[in-house]
Amino acid sequence: ETGVTQTPRHLVMGMTNKKSLKCEQHLGHNAMYWYKQSAKKPLELMFVYNFKEQTENNSVPSRFSPECPNSSHLFLHLHTLQPEDSALYLCASSPDGGGGADTQYFGPGTRLTVL
Amino acid sequence: GQNIDQPTEMTATEGAIVQINCTYQTSGFNGLFWYQQHAGEAPTFLSYNVLDGLEEKGRFSSFLSRSKGYSYLLLKELQMKDSASYLCAVTDSNYQLIWGAGTKLIIKP
Repeated sequence: ETGVTQTPRHLVMGMTNKKSLKCEQHLGHNAMYWYKQSAKKPLELMFVYNFKEQTENNSVPSRFSPECPNSSHLFLHLHTLQPEDSALYLCASSPDGGGGADTQYFGPGTRLTVL
Repeated sequence: GQNIDQPTEMTATEGAIVQINCTYQTSGFNGLFWYQQHAGEAPTFLSYNVLDGLEEKGRFSSFLSRSKGYSYLLLKELQMKDSASYLCAVTDSNYQLIWGAGTKLIIKP
């Protein structure tokens, strides 16, 4: 399999559930990202991992918890979410995690609905 | 604050040409990206500009003017499959990627 994959593609959960989103990249990149995409809004960067180390955490609520066990895998653990957290969650990877031309490659996303 | 502006929605006709504009105000500049995103799919990389001028890739071209804080994406010989959202993003002085909200392009036969 090539590129960036994400599972599940769709997820419906209640506010008291705990679930995890998974991302895997097969590009040999060193940086991985989690984004939230809501309708008609810019992509919101949530977390950045560079060489497995978290380098950015843009004031994301603690109900979102990232995990990066190696440079190919990234997880987003979810617990006690709110309905306003419903969105498309995109994972991306890039070769270097910095530099102007460092192009990010995206997975297809997980469409999350919180009831 | 940092800001990327692009039109929310545009409509064009199959076979025609359309220009999608993007203006930016950021703290520093280290390049500008255009991505295409079909509904329910991943954003895919289209182009990267860091120097002023026009970069051409087949039917798609991207232009940058750093002095004006302005870029456009030009799509020629439009096809129905070009119906998608087009995202503009700028790398600032801290190498953070600042995203616009995207332009939804609707192609009509």
